Amino acid sequence: GAVVSQHPSRVICKSGTSVKIECRSLDFQATTMFWYRQFPKKSLMLMATSNEGSKATYEQGVEKDKFLINHASLTLSTLTVTSAHPEDSSFYICSAIPTVSGNTIYFGEGSWLTVV
Amino acid sequence: GNSVTQMEGPVTLSEEAFLTINCTYTATGYPSLFWYVQYPGEGLQLLLKATKADDKGSNKGFEATYRKETTSFHLEKGSVQVSDSAVYFCALSEQGSNYKLTFGKGTLLTVNP
Repeated sequence: GAVVSQHPSRVICKSGTSVKIECRSLDFQATTMFWYRQFPKKSLMLMATSNEGSKATYEQGVEKDKFLINHASLTLSTLTVTSAHPEDSSFYICSAIPTVSGNTIYFGEGSWLTVV
Repeated sequence: GNSVTQMEGPVTLSEEAFLTINCTYTATGYPSLFWYVQYPGEGLQLLLKATKADDKGSNKGFEATYRKETTSFHLEKGSVQVSDSAVYFCALSEQGSNYKLTFGKGTLLTVNP
């Protein structure tokens, strides 16, 4: 079946540095991908909608300058957490919709970010 | 705004026990309702869904009925297996928007042999 892969699955970074998380659709093209995050004991919250070749659409309250999203190809979207702080420590997960048969959403396995 | 409230976990059951994970929602109009499952080390997978009131979604022995009168979509399985151990997420999407999902917090289920 369709697979979405995230990398890295776990990352630890120092406060003030930037970290990039990749989301790849391995066997289909995806014009649209989504980024979610989940804080401990909280719900998965949609951060932004990533559109290939155009700017991402951010949900209310999500800082676009802090969470940079790039969707440069039909199989790859990246989320860069800039100037990371401990409060950015969270579980980040992406999902992708196949461009051809766009009625199913496929999720990545998620990435754990710890900022120390 | 939309919200989903699901049963706090973790839930620990013995094999062949009956499972219920409660889920209630708040939304305007007629949302679609979903249960997703995440097995260890894997991405979320759609388990079942229902798109209108009184619909019953079912898959792999799991069932959930869309109850508009109680705004609920409880997940049930009559006899769980060890392989059902996973995190279960209840979710909704607004009417007309199947891609923007609002999730519950997730419930960790552990089934012991």
